[in-house]
Amino acid sequence: QVQLQESGPGLVKPSETLSLTCTVSGGSINRYYWSWIRQPPGKGLEWIGNIYYLGSTKYNPSLKSRVTISVDTSKNLFSLRLSSVTAADTAVYYCARATATGYTLEWRGYFDYWGQGTLVTVSS
Amino acid sequence: DIQMTQSPSSLSASVGDRVTITCRASQSISTYLNWYQQKPGKAPKLLIYAASTLQSGVPSRFSGSGSGTDFTLTISSLQPEDFITYYCQQSYSTPKTFGQGTKVEIK
Repeated sequence: QVQLQESGPGLVKPSETLSLTCTVSGGSINRYYWSWIRQPPGKGLEWIGNIYYLGSTKYNPSLKSRVTISVDTSKNLFSLRLSSVTAADTAVYYCARATATGYTLEWRGYFDYWGQGTLVTVSS
Repeated sequence: DIQMTQSPSSLSASVGDRVTITCRASQSISTYLNWYQQKPGKAPKLLIYAASTLQSGVPSRFSGSGSGTDFTLTISSLQPEDFITYYCQQSYSTPKTFGQGTKVEIK
C-alpha cells in the first residue's frame, strides 16, 4: 500500500520560503507523476503543480513564479518550495500521487494516494 | 482556467436517500473528471475517476456519469459515513481545478 508523508516547518515568516518534503513508502516513486495540492482553512482545494519522476514539471500559472517542485528518486521523495510567502499561503498542504489516464502530452489523470496533510501557517 | 461549478453547495438528506450532485465545467473536458470525498481534518479520498470509473474499494452505491461539460455524482442510498463534503476536479487542462465542494448534511 502506497503511503505518502509530508514533512516540514509548520510556521513560516512572511517573505520567506516555504519548504516541504513528501516521502513515499510502500511503492516506488518511479514511473509516476506526483503532485502538491493545498487547502486554506475552511476553503476549497487548489492544485499547485505536478512533477514526473524524471523531473519534468507543470505548475499552476497563478503560483508559477514562486513555485519549485523537485524529485529525488534515490530517496523516494519529492519536494515543494514556495518563495515570498504571505498570509494567503497559509493552508494545509497535501502531497499526492497523480496517476495518468492514457498517454497524452500533458498529464491527465487523478490523485489516488494522498498524504495526511500538513498545516503551514505564514505569520511573523 | 477551466471553472468547475458544483451544485448544490450544500444539501440536507436522510439515511437511505438517493442524492445527486452536479458538476459543470466552463468548457468541454471530455471525461477528464474525478470525484473525491473529504472528511473534516482528513485528506480527500478518490471515489470516481474518468467521470464514471469507480475507484477500487469504493462502495457500489457511488456512481458517476457525464461527459463534455456536465457531470453527476450519485449516491444511491446514503449511509451515515457519507455525510461529508464532495469535490469534483478536472484534469483536462492546466491548471487542474476543483469545484468549490458540496457538503452533504443530515436532515
